[in-house]
Amino acid sequence: AQSVTQLGSHVSVSEGALVLLRCNYSSSVPPYLFWYVQYPNQGLQLLLKYTSAATLVKGINGFEAEFKKSETSFHLTKPSAHMSDAAEYFCAGQSGNTPLVFGKGTRLSVIA
Amino acid sequence: KAGVTQTPRYLIKTRGQQVTLSCSPISGHRSVSWYQQTPGQGLQFLFEYFSETQRNKGNFPGRFSGRQFSNSRSEMNVSTLELGDSALYLCASSSLSGTGTGETQYFGPGTRLLVL
Repeated sequence: AQSVTQLGSHVSVSEGALVLLRCNYSSSVPPYLFWYVQYPNQGLQLLLKYTSAATLVKGINGFEAEFKKSETSFHLTKPSAHMSDAAEYFCAGQSGNTPLVFGKGTRLSVIA
Repeated sequence: KAGVTQTPRYLIKTRGQQVTLSCSPISGHRSVSWYQQTPGQGLQFLFEYFSETQRNKGNFPGRFSGRQFSNSRSEMNVSTLELGDSALYLCASSSLSGTGTGETQYFGPGTRLLVL
């Protein structure tokens, strides 16, 4: 069965610092993996998506994620944090004939 | 193209009442999925409708039901509301089925339901 685990419910970084949000998945079949962002009082916006075409996936707003099968990971990174990046980030996965499964989310705070 | 729209955006109900939430998908999308978001449980899948048929269902009691119309608009209904039903209800649409295809789901802004 598909499951997604996000390490760290809250991450705090300084403006301009590296952003690293961790996501691990468990799946018996190759998964589709997604990162979504949610700003307060809004729905989820897709940042990027892995579909096996390339292990390094570039998304919007300077974010990227690398699929590492050996580590069952799909961590999200951004070289330099901006104040506008403060939001909640969700990793999600889907495999086989299952619906999308979400991690618990990581709230990113950016300190000036 | 207009995004996914949900109505109403906010709703206050009392225990025992029922509620109907509406979702209009992106034009051309045939799949609508519903999720419940709470601080404690996070995002949980409720059900998916594709071409008017329920394709998948999450682990929720029968008080939660839904349907999809021929124009792909979807409604979900919660009967006999409980305090624990207070949540943000999100719907998402995709052109193909949201189950097992890796198809990107596009989310609406949600309906925030408060049960008193």
